[in-house]
Amino acid sequence: AQKVTQAQTEISVVEKEDVTLDCVYETRDTTYYLFWYKQPPSGELVFLIRRNSFDEQNEISGRYSWNFQKSTSSFNFTITASQVVDSAVYFCALSEAGSGGSQGNLIFGKGTKLSVKP
Amino acid sequence: DAGVIQSPRHEVTEMGQEVTLRCKPISGHNSLFWYRQTMMRGLELLIYFNNNVPIDDSGMPEDRFSAKMPNASFSTLKIQPSEPRDSAVYFCASNHGTVKSNYGYTFGSGTRLTVV
Repeated sequence: AQKVTQAQTEISVVEKEDVTLDCVYETRDTTYYLFWYKQPPSGELVFLIRRNSFDEQNEISGRYSWNFQKSTSSFNFTITASQVVDSAVYFCALSEAGSGGSQGNLIFGKGTKLSVKP
Repeated sequence: DAGVIQSPRHEVTEMGQEVTLRCKPISGHNSLFWYRQTMMRGLELLIYFNNNVPIDDSGMPEDRFSAKMPNASFSTLKIQPSEPRDSAVYFCASNHGTVKSNYGYTFGSGTRLTVV
């Protein structure tokens, strides 16, 4: 069965600190996709990144970076020099290949609430 | 690109009434998903369609919930009769539908449903 675990329920940091959000996943499939979404206080779900199971390269996008390690089934997200605008709930999610080459359902973790204080 | 469009944004209804939530996916996206978000259960899938065909409706809570996708540009989620425990934010999402694409799932702004 698929499962995504975000063990950190809430994290509070002071502006300019670096912060890492942890994500551990479970799947029996060899082909799968991992995602991070941001949900700011306004409530919408904002797509941040998608990685497939065959690409373990780490990725950096500005202050955001992602560390994908299949050996530990983890897909951690780091924000460097955090800012108040980074305050949000962050969700890690997993999908497996569905039928007929389609993308299947997204399984979400419970989310980590990040508060960045000035 | 207008994104995934959901209506209404907010809905307040009385217990026992019928509620219909609407979703317009991104043009060209082949898959459409309905999710529900509550504090207790987080984000959970209700149903998803691929090429307008329901693929997995195992998350639909009970017979009071039904979803349709009559064409590629429109879907509805209906609750009849509604109950207070249905109060939640309901999200619609769409994606390109093929694993070869590198797109994420695009979510609508959600419908906040309150059943009193």
